[in-house]
Amino acid sequence: EIVLTQSPGTLSLSPGERATLSCRASESVSSSYLVWYQQKPGQAPRLLIYGASRRATGIPDRFSGSGSGTDFILTINRLEPEDFAVYYCQQYGTSPRYTFGQGTKLEIK
Amino acid sequence: EVQLVESGGGLVQPGGSLRLSCAASGFTFSSYALNWVRQAPGRGLEWLSYIGPGSSGDTYYADSVKGRFTISRDNAENSLYLRMNSLRDEDTAVYYCARDIADCSGGTCYEIRFDYWGRGTQVTVSS
Repeated sequence: EIVLTQSPGTLSLSPGERATLSCRASESVSSSYLVWYQQKPGQAPRLLIYGASRRATGIPDRFSGSGSGTDFILTINRLEPEDFAVYYCQQYGTSPRYTFGQGTKLEIK
Repeated sequence: EVQLVESGGGLVQPGGSLRLSCAASGFTFSSYALNWVRQAPGRGLEWLSYIGPGSSGDTYYADSVKGRFTISRDNAENSLYLRMNSLRDEDTAVYYCARDIADCSGGTCYEIRFDYWGRGTQVTVSS
């Protein structure tokens, strides 16, 4: 089973700053199968990035994804107040079919 | 507009059963795979189960629910279901359904992701 470890657990930044969130896999993951979601309190997750670097429909270009193999990064440039949320990475595998990272909470400093 | 609406949650005693439903609209339901994902209080997301498109889609389960939960779909009713048996305290969570989409070519699918999610239904297992 591939385990996804996200870091940091909590990231405290101010609006206007850049956020860098990490997702590390215990084994190599195809970039095609690495996804990022955003979740705000009381809401369902929202698709942000798929295929490691492709923005989903309607996602602002301040969100970008990169990485390959075991190390993937979600970067959020010029943080807006609405960006403070919890972010999860996810991978498609064999058994189990999908796994999520434990999440990174992005909070206002 | 794509919509997924879960229902059927509630309070159930340990060892009890519950059936969750997810009503879909705004897309050709039978053409898409679907998933159930849950989130325990204050915890992260946990994938539970997948069902493929069509009338007899493949099914997959997380080890934590295998043998206790059964995913199914009714394409005529545009509905997804999760039958949950032998419920435990640790099954307490918000349960989401999510549409599964991918770009497929030559029998291989790429860029798999969950593009639409419902708002979830709360399941509480407690005596």
